[in-house]
Amino acid sequence: EAGVVQSPRYKIIEKKQPVAFWCNPISGHNTLYWYLQNLGQGPELLIRYENEEAVDDSQLPKDRFSAERLKGVDSTLKIQPAELGDSAVYLCASSSTSDYNEQFFGPGTRLTVL
Amino acid sequence: QQQVKQSPQSLIVQKGGISIINCAYENTAFDYFPWYQQFPGKGPALLIAIRPDVSEKKEGRFTISFNKSAKQFSLHIMDSQPGDSATYFCAAKGGIQGAQKLVFGQGTRLTINP
Repeated sequence: EAGVVQSPRYKIIEKKQPVAFWCNPISGHNTLYWYLQNLGQGPELLIRYENEEAVDDSQLPKDRFSAERLKGVDSTLKIQPAELGDSAVYLCASSSTSDYNEQFFGPGTRLTVL
Repeated sequence: QQQVKQSPQSLIVQKGGISIINCAYENTAFDYFPWYQQFPGKGPALLIAIRPDVSEKKEGRFTISFNKSAKQFSLHIMDSQPGDSATYFCAAKGGIQGAQKLVFGQGTRLTINP
C-alpha cells in the first residue's frame, strides 16, 4: 500500500515569491491534515479536512496561506507571498477517520525562503 | 492549556541501555497519548499510544507509563539499539474542542551509541 505522497520534497524560493505543495493521501482516507514543522520542533496543525470540507483552519495564517481539497482526495497548500519565516518542513498526513485513528504522515516538503 | 512539554531535548544512551523520555500536560481533557518516531528526511510514524484508563502499555521493547494524577507520561525503550536513534515526539489530544487536534511536544533527539 502506498503511503502519503508529497511533492516537491525540497523547494528553494526567494521571499515574496509564491509556492505550492501537493499531497496525495492514502487511498480511502477521508481526513487530511497539513502540519508545519519548524527545525527542532514538533509538528503544528495548520488545517484539517474531512473530505472536501476544511473543518479546522484556525491555525492557518489566512493572509498568505491557502489550501484546497477540491475532490476530497488530493490537496494543495499555497503560500503567497512567502516570507523568510516560512522556511520549515510542511507535512501532510491522512487518516481513515479523524476519531483517534492513526495519522499517517508523508515525508514532508522542506521549504527554504531566501 | 494546550501545551505538551517534553524532556530532555536530547539523550545519549549506550547500546543495550534504557532510554527514558518524559512528557507533561495541563489539559485534563486529553484522553489519547501517542508517541511518534521520526527519522531524518521522513515524516513522524506512530510508535505506540495509550489512553488514560490504563497506567502502562507495552509493545515489544517500547513501554508507555502513564500517571494521570501527575499529568505525566513517559516512553521507555528497553535494550536500546543504534537503529532506535531518531527524534521522538509525544503528543496528546482530546476534549470537546481539541478532540481531533494532536498537540505535539518539542521532541527528543535520541542517540544510541554502539
